[in-house]
Amino acid sequence: EAQVTQNPRYLITVTGKKLTVTCSQNMNHEYMSWYRQDPGLGLRQIYYSMNVEVTDKGDVPEGYKVSRKEKRNFPLILESPSPNQTSLYFCASSSLFRGQETQYFGPGTRLLVL
Amino acid sequence: EDQVTQSPEALRLQEGESSSLNCSYTVSGLRGLFWYRQDPGKGPEFLFTLYSAGEEKEKERLKATLTKKESFLHITAPKPEDSATYLCAATSTAKTSYDKVIFGPGTSLSVIP
Repeated sequence: EAQVTQNPRYLITVTGKKLTVTCSQNMNHEYMSWYRQDPGLGLRQIYYSMNVEVTDKGDVPEGYKVSRKEKRNFPLILESPSPNQTSLYFCASSSLFRGQETQYFGPGTRLLVL
Repeated sequence: EDQVTQSPEALRLQEGESSSLNCSYTVSGLRGLFWYRQDPGKGPEFLFTLYSAGEEKEKERLKATLTKKESFLHITAPKPEDSATYLCAATSTAKTSYDKVIFGPGTSLSVIP
């Protein structure tokens, strides 16, 4: 089954404690992306990756890091989380096929930073 | 600045009452316009991609259309299971933002039996 998985699904942490949210896709997609979703602000893109070792900033990259060492994985790293990073996070992947771009989203990770 | 807005913010329909959702975009050259459906607590689910003005796509009770400034998602004879938040997103041809995806805030649709 084609899918994007994220772990953990729920996470409570404290300010300053480094954490990693993993994302994996089994569709051999080139493009992967991280979003955060906040009430009233909608989905905002944090980072994206066009392929292995190619990453770039989205609209809200401050406080986040990513890496793309393998095609299927795209972890999101919060080196020193702060309360304003409390949010619902989504990972997504897509493939360009005959000009179509279809993003598949993961189930989301709900993060609370105390 | 690239921007995507959606209206209305919320829409309540009776079952069978057709309507349209609006997505207005301001981007530096539209590369693609996307519609997604999101159920509470879940990730968005892809519906349509539109690339050029005049293009239309259909899927069951949904039909998406595109003009040079906006896109419409028409819902014909909706059913309660169509209740969800509908998100619109755009990508631009601008070199500095070519691969970014800009989402609108969404329209929350409720279909009452």
